[in-house]
Amino acid sequence: AQKITQTQPGMFVQEKEAVTLDCTYDTSDPSYGLFWYKQPSSGEMIFLIYQGSYDQQNATEGRYSLNFQKARKSANLVISASQLGDSAMYFCAMREGRNTGNQFYFGTGTSLTVIP
Amino acid sequence: GAGVSQSPSNKVTEKGKDVELRCDPISGHTALYWYRQSLGQGLEFLIYFQGNSAPDKSGLPSDRFSAERTGGSVSTLTIQRTQQEDSAVYLCASSLTGWGGRADTQYFGPGTRLTVL
Repeated sequence: AQKITQTQPGMFVQEKEAVTLDCTYDTSDPSYGLFWYKQPSSGEMIFLIYQGSYDQQNATEGRYSLNFQKARKSANLVISASQLGDSAMYFCAMREGRNTGNQFYFGTGTSLTVIP
Repeated sequence: GAGVSQSPSNKVTEKGKDVELRCDPISGHTALYWYRQSLGQGLEFLIYFQGNSAPDKSGLPSDRFSAERTGGSVSTLTIQRTQQEDSAVYLCASSLTGWGGRADTQYFGPGTRLTVL
């Protein structure tokens, strides 16, 4: 089974509107971390937001928020008030507890296009 | 402070040649990762270094690939006898620790684009 699943290969959103990028994960480890990264066409991976499995509240960072539904094993990224500069690939990632392994597991990504 | 740096930014080589890719992590970061990203694809884990521990080499695709990290800082990824399928962007990332939590957040370098002719 895939550790991280991103089912939306491509998404479009109108400028200034909100958009949700889906991410589901698979782990039996009670301790894990979830991360979202943005990769613009320039290629560099930019860290956006982190959610720990024991965090009680959904993480927020500026216009980014993470809709964390632990029972459903989903960690969707919400971008509010989309801007043209948000057009990029977005990757969801997971790191399990240190006793489980050293890898970060990345999804296949979602390409977001913001339409003026 | 300075972010993760990688060199060269681009490398074109002929099939069968050896190449070395360099990564300078963020100062003070104990964990270092190498990934490979083929065009339009996700990230493929290659190798992980944590402090002075033995590296996790489970992602290396063949014995032509090797990596070392000297003094717990700079890392070099070496590909011997390059093949055309090795063409990809090689990304390096570092994190403050590898022990879990927010400190595991990886910060990536700009990558090295390798083209094997």
